Amino acid sequence: DIVMTQTPLSSPVTLGQPASISCRSSQSLVHSDGNTYLSWLQQRPGQPPRLLIYKISNRFSGVPDRFSGSGAGTDFTLKISRVEAEDVGVYYCTQATQFPLTFGGGTKVEIK
Amino acid sequence: QLQLQESGPGLVKPSETLSLTCTVSGGSIGSSTYYWGWIRQPPGKGLDWIGSIYYSGSTHYNPSLKSRVTISVDTSKNQFSLKLSSVTAADTAVYYCARLNITVAAHDSWGQGTLVTVSS
Repeated sequence: DIVMTQTPLSSPVTLGQPASISCRSSQSLVHSDGNTYLSWLQQRPGQPPRLLIYKISNRFSGVPDRFSGSGAGTDFTLKISRVEAEDVGVYYCTQATQFPLTFGGGTKVEIK
Repeated sequence: QLQLQESGPGLVKPSETLSLTCTVSGGSIGSSTYYWGWIRQPPGKGLDWIGSIYYSGSTHYNPSLKSRVTISVDTSKNQFSLKLSSVTAADTAVYYCARLNITVAAHDSWGQGTLVTVSS
């Protein structure tokens, strides 16, 4: 199985300031078709997860442009350019390059 | 707009079988673009993929649960279902059904989730 490791576990951020979350996979997420199937989910308190970013850096429909994804191979980053109150929650990276699908342990974004 | 809704008992006894159904509305479960799957989240913990099914009935399961899991699809009812046998307290979790978009290889639509507690 591909193990997904996220850091930090928690990220206290001042409103309007940037936040950054790292995700590392135990093996390359480059699929045989050339794509890298790494995505990011946001889970607000009491809500189901919501897709933010797919294939490393593509924002899903309706996702604000303050969210961006980057990376390659085994190292990936989610950035929030200016944190807003509605961004509070837990963020998960997840891979679909190989079954079984796996998730990172989550990073909690909270306001200082 | 696509909606997914989980349904089933909220309380299951140890050693029994957990059964949940996901009803899809606003879209066809028979589309070739998607898999349909189950993900669970123990209280206060992270996400754990259980398995996914294609409209044709082709399945992928998490090897850690494979011996106890069955996912099935009923295209006539636009539903898919989860059965997890021989449950223990460790299976207590919020169970989500979700759509796996093959094009983007990501779960792009989720149900609200249903809490299943395993207890006598």
